[in-house]
Amino acid sequence: DVKVTQSSRYLVKRTGEKVFLECVQDMDHENMFWYRQDPGLGLRLIYFSYDVKMKEKGDIPEGYSVSREKKERFSLILESASTNQTSMYLCASSFIGSSYEQYFGPGTRLTVT
Amino acid sequence: AQSVAQPEDQVNVAEGNPLTVKCTYSVSGNPYLFWYVQYPNRGLQFLLKYITGDNLVKGSYGFEAEFNKSQTSFHLKKPSALVSDSALYFCAVRDGGGFKTIFGAGTRLFVKA
Repeated sequence: DVKVTQSSRYLVKRTGEKVFLECVQDMDHENMFWYRQDPGLGLRLIYFSYDVKMKEKGDIPEGYSVSREKKERFSLILESASTNQTSMYLCASSFIGSSYEQYFGPGTRLTVT
Repeated sequence: AQSVAQPEDQVNVAEGNPLTVKCTYSVSGNPYLFWYVQYPNRGLQFLLKYITGDNLVKGSYGFEAEFNKSQTSFHLKKPSALVSDSALYFCAVRDGGGFKTIFGAGTRLFVKA
């Protein structure tokens, strides 16, 4: 079974703090994704990576950056957390190619106060 | 531009009755269509997908979905609902040539005993 793990299930941070969310997958997937999930809005893509050190902006990249130094690990960084970044963050991975489904981690619920 | 619509925020059904969760989509190329389910406090799980071929696809937990090109729909169905099917369901579409998956806003399914 594919396993996607995220470093924290719940996280509380203060406005202005730098926040790191980490994601690890164990299936040698080329693609990795970061989404945020908000009620009524579904999932929105923040960033996408198709290879080590490669990244593409998604629909809502502002205020976020990413790092992929190893194939199995994809990190999301909030440079200076703000209250409007309070959300559920989901990491996913998949094989390269449009027909492949994504495998999701359990999510990190981030609260910024 | 790609888009996905799930017209119902919530669907209520009695256990043992058939269920349908609706999804319509818009893409410029050939659609790759997916259904995912999210149980409380968990990440999304893949249920089924349509890439090509037979319009009726079968997936996990007894779910199936019918691809209808003329109506640009991909409704999720199950002949007999279980209380344990209660969850949040997401429809997703990818343009066959692209890397980005667009998710619908989600439909919450309640199955009452």
